[in-house]
Amino acid sequence: KAGVTQTPRYLIKTRGQQVTLSCSPISGHRSVSWYQQTPGQGLQFLFEYFSETQRNKGNFPGRFSGRQFSNSRSEMNVSTLELGDSALYLCASSLAWTGGAAHTEAFFGQGTRLTVV
Amino acid sequence: AQKVTQAQTEISVVEKEDVTLDCVYETRDTTYYLFWYKQPPSGELVFLIRRNSFDEQNEISGRYSWNFQKSTSSFNFTITASQVVDSAVYFCALRDDNNAGNMLTFGGGTRLMVKP
Repeated sequence: KAGVTQTPRYLIKTRGQQVTLSCSPISGHRSVSWYQQTPGQGLQFLFEYFSETQRNKGNFPGRFSGRQFSNSRSEMNVSTLELGDSALYLCASSLAWTGGAAHTEAFFGQGTRLTVV
Repeated sequence: AQKVTQAQTEISVVEKEDVTLDCVYETRDTTYYLFWYKQPPSGELVFLIRRNSFDEQNEISGRYSWNFQKSTSSFNFTITASQVVDSAVYFCALRDDNNAGNMLTFGGGTRLMVKP
């Protein structure tokens, strides 16, 4: 069974540009979450999508947005890039959305390392 | 608000030593889930274990064992007879049942270095 696939793996962008990152979840998983990892702030939740709807959103500015397609693939977009957006962006896919016994763990991709210069 | 604290930022041991990684959490919810993930240099977070708040049974899986104690809000992870391949950053994470989603709150991570 294929794991979570994130593309691209590495990206270098200039300040002010925008970027789109892609995540293909594990087959059958309908929940996709995005996280930003930086040395200073650690792992921070960006947002979660389930059935093409954003379910949760972390404390990030509106420059960070995302969407999910009918096949559960997800993209996140960062507009007007700033130097501080340089980070490892991790995508996680999960089987369940709501609480209860059907909860499952999140499986992560290898991430996209974004460098803003 | 949820919070996960991993007080040990870095641990260095010699191969074959046992090592325990500490995790303390805070949540107001009665139902929640705790996780441990391993992050090798490649960057991917590798799932190790999930523990439900209503199940305080400790678990052993090979060289790994976990000690969950609700009374002290701790979920510690022990590696027995550590190996060089165990070198990685380990994260403890918490998810509650309140937001009906899969949002994880992570601790700051503990970097484990196992020297030969």
